[in-house]
Amino acid sequence: DVKVTQSSRYLVKRTGEKVFLECVQDMDHENMFWYRQDPGLGLRLIYFSYDVKMKEKGDIPEGYSVSREKKERFSLILESASTNQTSMYLCASSNRRIDYGYTFGSGTRLTVV
Amino acid sequence: GENVEQHPSTLSVQEGDSAVIKCTYSDSASNYFPWYKQELGKRPQLIIDIRSNVGEKKDQRIAVTLNKTAKHFSLHITETQPEDSAVYFCAATGNQFYFGTGTSLTVIP
Repeated sequence: DVKVTQSSRYLVKRTGEKVFLECVQDMDHENMFWYRQDPGLGLRLIYFSYDVKMKEKGDIPEGYSVSREKKERFSLILESASTNQTSMYLCASSNRRIDYGYTFGSGTRLTVV
Repeated sequence: GENVEQHPSTLSVQEGDSAVIKCTYSDSASNYFPWYKQELGKRPQLIIDIRSNVGEKKDQRIAVTLNKTAKHFSLHITETQPEDSAVYFCAATGNQFYFGTGTSLTVIP
């Protein structure tokens, strides 16, 4: 059973802080994704990665960056957290053929104060 | 890119009734259409999917239909139960998933 683990379930950070959200998957998946989930807006793609050290911008990359130094780990970085980045962040992974479906992590609820 | 629209945004049904959620997509190249269920405080879980070479797929009380010509697909839940209460997301795939905005389903006992 594929497991996608997000390091924190809840985080509270101050405006201007640098924030790291970590995601680890244990099934040797090539693809990893970061989404944010907001009421009424659904799931919006921030960044994705098809391979180690490879990254592609999604629909809302502004204010975020990512790092994928190892295949199993995909990190989302908020360079300078702002209150409008308060949200639920979901990580997902899939094998190279995404039409076998995603597996999601449990999410990190980030509050920026 | 792909644009997926999902309706309704909220849906309330009496226990035992059927529920239908509809999605439309814009990219005719999309070929895989999964549905995810997200219970309160939990991760989205794949509940059923359909590929573009199939018109309908059933799994117990859940079914999905696809109309490629009209570019729409629907989730049908029959004999609804309180544990079906959740947010449901549709998606269409090109090189990534494009999600709908979700439907909050409430089944009233």
